[in-house]
Amino acid sequence: EVQLVESGGGLVRPGRSLRLSCVASGFTFDDYAMHWVRQAPGKGLEWVSGVTWNSATTGYAVSVRGRFTISRDNARNSLFLEMNNLKPEDTALYYCTKGATVTVSDYFDHWGQGTLVTVSS
Amino acid sequence: DVAMTQSPDSLAVSLGERATINCKSSQSLLWNSNNKSYLAWYQHRPGQPPKLLISWASTRESGVPDRFLGSGSGRDFTLTISSLQAEDVAVYYCQQYYSVPRTFGQGTKVEIK
Repeated sequence: EVQLVESGGGLVRPGRSLRLSCVASGFTFDDYAMHWVRQAPGKGLEWVSGVTWNSATTGYAVSVRGRFTISRDNARNSLFLEMNNLKPEDTALYYCTKGATVTVSDYFDHWGQGTLVTVSS
Repeated sequence: DVAMTQSPDSLAVSLGERATINCKSSQSLLWNSNNKSYLAWYQHRPGQPPKLLISWASTRESGVPDRFLGSGSGRDFTLTISSLQAEDVAVYYCQQYYSVPRTFGQGTKVEIK
């Protein structure tokens, strides 16, 4: 059974940083791209970032480009999202998602339960 | 970016009746080399993570009831729930994976009438 477990969310002041983690199990982690998708309170789903199986290619939403960095550690079956210069509009539930293929351009066939990030002074 | 527009924003359907959700993309999602449309549908129930229902516009995921039907090609797509059940109450999203950034529709809330 595929499992994705996020951690690292919390309350943070604007301008500060936070690092999200996701530990995966139940599949061959380095066979698939991985992504972060978020949902702000009362809003819809927004893709944030994705990374290919071998970390050769990453992609970011315009809203986070230059502030967020996605990475993965295949030896530890882990996905990360380093978030810098956080803004109130980054407040959301962040989901770790498994891509259906090796590429960044794919859909999401499994989702974690999410970790909540709140940016507020 | 490819913009995805769903209609309606919400709908209320009686149990056992048909629910139809439309999704339109700002550009074609059809890849000519494989004749596939890069469109997925998700179900998002309250308090749960989203669940993939359909990929490639019409391919149902394993375990998804056959009352969920995806159709369409190019720019126009439809998700049909042929006989609405109580457990189908959720927000439904379409998503394109033809290009980066991946984009979602705004969501359609399905309720019981």
